[in-house]
Amino acid sequence: DQQVKQNSPSLSVQEGRISILNCDYTNSMFDYFLWYKKYPAEGPTFLISISSIKDKNEDGRFTVFLNKSAKHLSLHIVPSQPGDSAVYFCAASENYGGSQGNLIFGKGTKLSVKP
Amino acid sequence: DGGITQSPKYLFRKEGQNVTLSCEQNLNHDAMYWYRQDPGQGLRLIYYSQIVNDFQKGDIAEGYSVSREKKESFPLTVTSAQKNPTAFYLCASSIGSGAGETQYFGPGTRLLVL
Repeated sequence: DQQVKQNSPSLSVQEGRISILNCDYTNSMFDYFLWYKKYPAEGPTFLISISSIKDKNEDGRFTVFLNKSAKHLSLHIVPSQPGDSAVYFCAASENYGGSQGNLIFGKGTKLSVKP
Repeated sequence: DGGITQSPKYLFRKEGQNVTLSCEQNLNHDAMYWYRQDPGQGLRLIYYSQIVNDFQKGDIAEGYSVSREKKESFPLTVTSAQKNPTAFYLCASSIGSGAGETQYFGPGTRLLVL
């Protein structure tokens, strides 16, 4: 049973528009969430994170929103650029600040930004 | 230049053969991890190590073994017991193993069975 779900395997967006990638989770104990970006044949690179004490975290063009009651988070990219085309993984862990930090990953959403 | 290196980039395994994937980091990170990625799937944790000479099984450890004799190195052996080894293998490290620690990934090794 998947604890972290990215229900859209792909998303296509026009350059300059907003990209919204969604992620749902089932484990109410998750309290730390991350987004990773992955190009083909490369390792994922960390993009942005948020802890459960916040509902929004912003870093440049990237903003992550967390809705704890809905167990839902989303990544907004504004404006989208062709170089943003990649697979985006949502990941979650529990016991923020504790000793066990294993990440549970979603299956990823492939974003294509068209010029 | 600090980072995580994995070698080789591509690895071919014959039936019944054990192969070892290398992972080295010079980030002075205590924790290291091995993940497996299959097409259309998320990353699944194979093994992790919070400190030298210590490691624990992840979600899919069967058919794999690891060692952590040095802080910088966390090699993964894919044994003949792993019946479906073809995948993209990713090594990661983090400063510690706490939930707030960001994991940094290597470039990956693609393993193919001949």
